[in-house]
Amino acid sequence: ILNVEQSPQSLHVQEGDSTNFTCSFPSSNFYALHWYRWETAKSPEALFVMTLNGDKKKKGRISATLNTKEGYSYLYIKGSQPEDSATYLCANKIQGAQKLVFGQGTRLTINP
Amino acid sequence: GAVVSQHPSRVICKSGTSVKIECRSLDFQATTMFWYRQFPKQSLMLMATSNEGSKATYEQGVEKDKFLINHASLTLSTLTVTSAHPEDSSFYICSAPTGTVGNIQYFGAGTRLSVL
Repeated sequence: ILNVEQSPQSLHVQEGDSTNFTCSFPSSNFYALHWYRWETAKSPEALFVMTLNGDKKKKGRISATLNTKEGYSYLYIKGSQPEDSATYLCANKIQGAQKLVFGQGTRLTINP
Repeated sequence: GAVVSQHPSRVICKSGTSVKIECRSLDFQATTMFWYRQFPKQSLMLMATSNEGSKATYEQGVEKDKFLINHASLTLSTLTVTSAHPEDSSFYICSAPTGTVGNIQYFGAGTRLSVL
């Protein structure tokens, strides 16, 4: 994998259902993997920053896992609510670089 | 949490004019800020890294004379789109890292530029 790729690009989920989506990234020279939530007309907001293989992070109903050896991260949302509707971005930071490389995002819509 | 303010949120201008976009860190100092551009249905593409007191670092393919960046203070970076043309119409967004582990970034709300 040369770029940061997210799947699916869009997702519709019924309120109350749980869901998850994927971020794939180059595993070489890995430093950190970021997840951001971006609601319409607002600033992207950081959810998680993960640095260690096997990391699991949780914030309320949202959690994330990280596999740096195979280059993927999963974001899980349990019991989706309408306020979870947003675009979820992941970004990869490699060693020695300041910048982040972003995926295209997963646009999540929660249907009431 | 840290706040980054970006202005204007939307600008419509005539072809040939220059447009300045400001990015301010409101409650922390940012020696580095990032400027991104996003085309429809695409990812945030880094244009340049703005460094306080020194020249910006531009990504490959980004014209530095077209997209002028000034980072004159620890709380303000500006991006000027010079002689804007319709193909410069896009969504521009800035961010500033906080210096924490993993370099978490705080973003502005973005600027939608439409060049007629």
